[in-house]
Amino acid sequence: DQQVKQNSPSLSVQEGRISILNCDYTNSMFDYFLWYKKYPAEGPTFLISISSIKDKNEDGRFTVFLNKSAKHLSLHIVPSQPGDSAVYFCAASGTGFQKLVFGTGTRLLVSP
Amino acid sequence: EAQVTQNPRYLITVTGKKLTVTCSQNMNHEYMSWYRQDPGLGLRQIYYSMNVEVTDKGDVPEGYKVSRKEKRNFPLILESPSPNQTSLYFCASSLIGRPSKGSRYGYTFGSGTRLTVV
Repeated sequence: DQQVKQNSPSLSVQEGRISILNCDYTNSMFDYFLWYKKYPAEGPTFLISISSIKDKNEDGRFTVFLNKSAKHLSLHIVPSQPGDSAVYFCAASGTGFQKLVFGTGTRLLVSP
Repeated sequence: EAQVTQNPRYLITVTGKKLTVTCSQNMNHEYMSWYRQDPGLGLRQIYYSMNVEVTDKGDVPEGYKVSRKEKRNFPLILESPSPNQTSLYFCASSLIGRPSKGSRYGYTFGSGTRLTVV
């Protein structure tokens, strides 16, 4: 049972344009969401997070949006850069969860 | 430098030959966890530990063992590896297992161990 889903395995975007990565979740007990970025041959690294008491959080070029009623979050990268090419995982946590539950990942390719 | 160190980075072994993947963190984190990454399945938790001598199963614990005798170390043990355990393994640590509202808690991951069982 995949509680956190990233339905797009891959996304290609041109440099300078916006990248939008999507994530859906099914468990209403989740109250904290994170995005991780993973380069080949490296472990995932924390990128940005959002609490369920907010609907938006920005950090430089990265913005995460949360739509609780739709159980949907998205990561916007503006402008996209070739160095953003990586696999992006969304993750969720909540009451009773002693762990992060990860999605399947989306591979982003930003071409010059 | 704050980090999680896994060893080895790459390992090829044969079915049934016991192996241990080591994990060490230098951040004094209470929580440590093992994940495996497989194509189309994302990161799935194998085992986790809330503190020394406290471990519990994650989502896919079959075929694995762990121990937490010291706060900094959390080895993953495969007593009798099988080909379906061929995967990319990540150790992670955190101050607490569950990020709190309003905080930026997340996990710090190691660089990964690519295990092939033939």
